[in-house]
Amino acid sequence: KNEVEQSPQNLTAQEGEFITINCSYSVGISALHWLQQHPGGGIVSLFMLSSGKKKHGRLIATINIQEKHSSLHITASHPRDSAVYICAAPSSGGGADGLTFGKGTHLIIQP
Amino acid sequence: EPEVTQTPSHQVTQMGQEVILRCVPISNHLYFYWYRQILGQKVEFLVSFYNNEISEKSEIFDDQFSVERPDGSNFTLKIRSTKLEDSAMYFCASQIEGTTEAFFGQGTRLTVV
Repeated sequence: KNEVEQSPQNLTAQEGEFITINCSYSVGISALHWLQQHPGGGIVSLFMLSSGKKKHGRLIATINIQEKHSSLHITASHPRDSAVYICAAPSSGGGADGLTFGKGTHLIIQP
Repeated sequence: EPEVTQTPSHQVTQMGQEVILRCVPISNHLYFYWYRQILGQKVEFLVSFYNNEISEKSEIFDDQFSVERPDGSNFTLKIRSTKLEDSAMYFCASQIEGTTEAFFGQGTRLTVV
């Protein structure tokens, strides 16, 4: 069963700063998810990536399959980026047992 | 854009009562999941469902829990006799066959009093 670790657990930064959140996992996977959870609790899928890099607006996600490591970057951070960011990986090789989630990174961007 | 919808958004129930949480997955998706997040903890897998039967379930998913696809659109999670420790946010997710991209509902916040 996959183990997913995220760092840091908490991150406070000033508006405009470049943000990096890291995720490592223990079992080789086909793809990794980055999710965003706002204070109301709902989960939004940001990225699913299996190799290289993906970019959406100010968000960039990278993955190194050999290293079993992924990063989520936020450029020109803004207070509205404040949320919990979660990485999740398939629990095992197949998809039947769903995703294993990291504990999340609680990000606060101060104006 | 198609989305997974969950109802209700918030449910308060008395300990020992039965609750049914409802989900409408995206229409052409074939895999369905329930996850749970206790306040302050990480999201945990409960159960997966494919081809009208449970594919996998976690140790959390004991005899008090059941899932059903009563018609072509709804996917439900039933808790027979709720306990205080069942208080959590419950997320439904669905995915299309052949990918691992999961689409999540907004969650149902269950409070057992």
